[in-house]
Amino acid sequence: QKEVEQDPGPLSVPEGAIVSLNCTYSNSAFQYFMWYRQYSRKGPELLMYTYSSGNKEDGRFTAQVDKSSKYISLFIRDSQPSDSATYLCAMGGSGNTPLVFGKGTRLSVIA
Amino acid sequence: EAGVTQFPSHSVIEKGQTVTLRCDPISGHDNLYWYRRVMGKEIKFLLHFVKESKQDESGMPNNRFLAERTGGTYSTLKVQPAELEDSGVYFCASSQDLAFSRIEKLFFGSGTQLSVL
Repeated sequence: QKEVEQDPGPLSVPEGAIVSLNCTYSNSAFQYFMWYRQYSRKGPELLMYTYSSGNKEDGRFTAQVDKSSKYISLFIRDSQPSDSATYLCAMGGSGNTPLVFGKGTRLSVIA
Repeated sequence: EAGVTQFPSHSVIEKGQTVTLRCDPISGHDNLYWYRRVMGKEIKFLLHFVKESKQDESGMPNNRFLAERTGGTYSTLKVQPAELEDSGVYFCASSQDLAFSRIEKLFFGSGTQLSVL
């Protein structure tokens, strides 16, 4: 079983839709949960991070972590064509253990 | 402020040849990481420098890979001899400090696309 599972998509939605992106994980030691956005031919860019369980909101983006289910989500409200990118979840434990990434979900928002 | 710079952006080499990738982190960033993404797979950690010292090299695939960070500034990743399975995108990332360990903000470069034929 992979440590982090993420559906690679692709996912195509109309402009203005609510997008839900998800990852599941198996390592209960993970405490830090991140979402990265990667545009074509660019490196990943940190979008949001959360520590332990709970929600975090930043503008149109909301990140949720449910440690009991080992499930994390990223919601994008009022999606825009500029949100078209690959979204990668990443997580890590305490100390200096390296981040573990999901495969990424490719999102297209159609105008 | 300049971001993380990687060179070259693309490299096509034949099996058995040597390739050296370079990464210039953001000025003042002590932490430098190398990651790799093989087609269809996840981004995987290769190694981590703190200044010029290797903090963690547990992700290095084998001894054909050699990473250095001269004087704690730029870093190189050499693959010698290259094999077909080394093809992928090699990312470099840097961060300022480890005060908040895993929530440190990593700045990624655009990557080097390596193709071994």
